[in-house]
Amino acid sequence: EVQLVESGGGLVQPGRSLRLSCTASGFTFGDYAMSWVRQAPGKGLEWVGFIRSKAYGGTTEYAASVKGRFTISRDDSKSIAYLQMNSLKTEDTAVYYCTRIPRASDAFDIWGQGTMVTVSS
Amino acid sequence: SSELTQDPAVSVALGQTVRITCQGDSLRSYYASWYQQKPGQAPVLVIYGKNNRPSGIPDRFSGSSSGNTASLTITGAQAEDEADYYCNSRDSSGNHLNWVFGGGTKLTVL
Repeated sequence: EVQLVESGGGLVQPGRSLRLSCTASGFTFGDYAMSWVRQAPGKGLEWVGFIRSKAYGGTTEYAASVKGRFTISRDDSKSIAYLQMNSLKTEDTAVYYCTRIPRASDAFDIWGQGTMVTVSS
Repeated sequence: SSELTQDPAVSVALGQTVRITCQGDSLRSYYASWYQQKPGQAPVLVIYGKNNRPSGIPDRFSGSSSGNTASLTITGAQAEDEADYYCNSRDSSGNHLNWVFGGGTKLTVL
C-alpha cells in the first residue's frame, strides 16, 4: 500500500524550531518529488514548498511566506522527507501534510494524514 | 504570486449535477487539479490534468477547462460527495516553480 506518514508535530514557542518527518512506503521514494502543504485551523490549503527527486537535482522551491525560514530535505535511503521549520511564528500554526508529486504531473496524488503544529507561547 | 478564486459554497440536490469553478490567470497556462476534503481527513486527489481520475475515483467526477476557468463537475451527486473541494495549479507568475491553491468550495448535498 502506498502511504505517507508525517510525524514530529507539537506545541512550540514562537521563534523556536521544529522538524517534521514524512516516512514513505509502498513505492520507490527516490523517483518522486515531494511537497509539503499546510492548513491553518478552519482555513484552506496553502502550498509550503517542494523538493525535486535526485534525478532532477534534488533542489527545492518555497512559498514566499516560509522562504528563508523553512528547509525541505530528503533521505532516499530511508524514504523520508523532512521539513525543518525555524523562526516559527504564530501564523505557522497548521496541520502540515506531506504529498507526493508523480513524474510528468503537477498534481499531488498521495497525501499523508497530517501532523499538527501549534506555535504559541 | 497569482490567485485561484473559488465560490465559498455551493449546494446541489441529491442525484443532480453540480459544477464547481476555479478562476485564475495561471489556468491559462496550466491544468487545474482538484481535491476533495472531508471533515477531519486529508485531501484526496479527484481530478488532474486535462480530465484524469485517479484509480478509485467514481466516474461521476469530471474536469474541464476554458480560458482562465477550470471546472469540476459531479454528475449525479451522492450524499458522500458532501465535502470541501480545492483546486490548485502551478503558479504562472514569477518563475512558474511554485503552486497555488484556491480558497475552497464547501459542497452541500441536499
